[in-house]
Amino acid sequence: EIVLTQSPGTLSLSPGERATLSCRASQSVSSSYLAWYQQKPGQAPRLLIYGASSRATGIPDRFSGSGSGTDFTLTISRLEPEDFAVYYCQQYGSSGITFGPGTKVDIK
Amino acid sequence: QVQLQESGPGLVKPSETLSLICTVSGGSISSYYWSWIRQPPGKGLEWIGYIYYSGSTNYNPSLKSRVTISVDTSKNQFSLKLRSVTAADTAVYYCARGPYGGYYPGWGQGTQVTVSS
Repeated sequence: EIVLTQSPGTLSLSPGERATLSCRASQSVSSSYLAWYQQKPGQAPRLLIYGASSRATGIPDRFSGSGSGTDFTLTISRLEPEDFAVYYCQQYGSSGITFGPGTKVDIK
Repeated sequence: QVQLQESGPGLVKPSETLSLICTVSGGSISSYYWSWIRQPPGKGLEWIGYIYYSGSTNYNPSLKSRVTISVDTSKNQFSLKLRSVTAADTAVYYCARGPYGGYYPGWGQGTQVTVSS
């Protein structure tokens, strides 16, 4: 099973600041199969990024994804009030699907 | 736009079987893969398993011995059965379309299931 580790656990920032979230895999992940989700309290996760760097339909361009192999990054260029939430990375591989533990982005 | 809706009991007794149904609307279930994912209170997401409309399945190894996912194409539904539940199975259970290209573009709203006597 591929284990995903996300850091930091919590990121305290102000609106307008840049957020950089990390997702590290215990073994190499195909870039085609790395995704990022946003989850707000009481809501289902929402797909932000798939294929490591492709934005899902309707996702603003302030969200971007990058990385390959075992290291992936989600960047929010300028935080809007609605961006404060928990973010999860997810991988799909031959042994199944795993999610990272999440990074909470909260208001400083 | 495909929509998904979970349904089933919100309370299950320990050692019994948790049963949930996901109804797909706005599109046919006879394409794609369909999944169950859960989230214990205050914790992260855990993939349970997925099924192809043809009936082939893949389960999380940690749950495989207790899980069955099935599909009913005539009703545009798929279902989850989790046997011998304990308090550790208390969670919000989501159904989702996918994995589609390895990711989940659509999710149900989720349903809370509590395991308690």
